[in-house]
Amino acid sequence: RKEVEQDPGPFNVPEGATVAFNCTYSNSASQSFFWYRQDCRKEPKLLMSVYSSGNEDGRFTAQLNRASQYISLLIRDSKLSDSATYLCVVNVYNQGGKLIFGQGTELSVKP
Amino acid sequence: DGGITQSPKYLFRKEGQNVTLSCEQNLNHDAMYWYRQDPGQGLRLIYYSQIVNDFQKGDIAEGYSVSREKKESFPLTVTSAQKNPTAFYLCASWTGAGNTIYFGEGSWLTVV
Repeated sequence: RKEVEQDPGPFNVPEGATVAFNCTYSNSASQSFFWYRQDCRKEPKLLMSVYSSGNEDGRFTAQLNRASQYISLLIRDSKLSDSATYLCVVNVYNQGGKLIFGQGTELSVKP
Repeated sequence: DGGITQSPKYLFRKEGQNVTLSCEQNLNHDAMYWYRQDPGQGLRLIYYSQIVNDFQKGDIAEGYSVSREKKESFPLTVTSAQKNPTAFYLCASWTGAGNTIYFGEGSWLTVV
């Protein structure tokens, strides 16, 4: 089992749609969680950190479920500019600060 | 402004040659990381370092080597033992829980 797994993509949605991504992690000692966005052939950019209480930033909402060991990202009112690959990132505290990425989920928002 | 600088951005290597990718950060971060990304795939961890003069293997360390002689610098050498080195390489640094992970712009390595 991979340490961090994401929903397989791609997700093709129309503008204005709501889309949700999930990411599961296997190590219960995981401590910090992030969602990053990556555009083609570019470095990843931080979208959101994910906190235990959940957090929201405009159209984006992130949730953490420690009991079930997954994080989620919800995008409301999708825009064409949201088209990108979304990466979840997990910090494994008991492995010396290892940062592990999921394989990414590609989102394509169509007019 | 603080950040991470990777160089070179594009690199071509002949088979059998070693090549070193540079990664320098002026963020005063303790932790630094090297990742490899193949087309259509996520980032796979090659090596990481939490402090100077110490580093750990990631998931795909074979054929790579690193050093961490200074806090600011974490160079990656792709050796001739790496069977399929053509990929996009990303360096990252981080200061710990709750803080942003910073990335360099990446280095494209092509073996010709």
